[in-house]
Amino acid sequence: QLQLQESGPGLVKPSETLSLTCTVSGGSITNSGYYWGWIRQPPGKGLEWIGSIYYSGSTYYNPSLKSRVTISVDMSKNQFSLKLSSVTAADTSVYYCARQGSSWYGDAFDIWGQGTMVTVSS
Amino acid sequence: QSVLTQPPSVSGAPGQRVTISCTGSSSNIGAGYDVHWYQRLPGTAPKLLISGNTNRPSGVPDRFSGSKSGTSASLAITGLQAEDEADYYCQSYDSSLTVVFGGGTKLTVL
Repeated sequence: QLQLQESGPGLVKPSETLSLTCTVSGGSITNSGYYWGWIRQPPGKGLEWIGSIYYSGSTYYNPSLKSRVTISVDMSKNQFSLKLSSVTAADTSVYYCARQGSSWYGDAFDIWGQGTMVTVSS
Repeated sequence: QSVLTQPPSVSGAPGQRVTISCTGSSSNIGAGYDVHWYQRLPGTAPKLLISGNTNRPSGVPDRFSGSKSGTSASLAITGLQAEDEADYYCQSYDSSLTVVFGGGTKLTVL
């Protein structure tokens, strides 16, 4: 069955760029009809949508993070990635990647990765 | 604070029925956008519980049901079990061009 797995550094220094990758296994990221998204959860707080991407490269970002976020897809590796620049302690969170339905704004995230904790600290 | 408002906590005894509300506005739930619900067990990733307001994905027990009316939505859990103790989140879309989540509700089974 389809599985998603996040990977990347667990510690990032303030002002640097956070980079995470989500590897999709058990299915193709180019499977039409699905978006692929990033969601985060700061300690003790709720979930926050970061953005979603279609395999063709169409991207949609949370307006509050848009100036700092880049999501990209690598079809050859069946992966999609997140870059968040100029990080601060407020970006410390568990970061999840997830599969979304065919509508980036209307559909649910039906398959999630296990999540990876990223701490921003010097 | 979150665009979608959920009670911080709810509780119930085994076998009872509990509901979790998700209150939005005319720019999200009230605008007709679907509401989805997730369950997050301690130390695990969120799991889709209800999609499109009322639909249960395969494998989700029929003890879980969703509803939507006006600017609010609700998740109902009947026949409460100890394994239902978890955090629950609602999700929708807001006309400010963003996917939004509720702040989450911690369900305690007494």
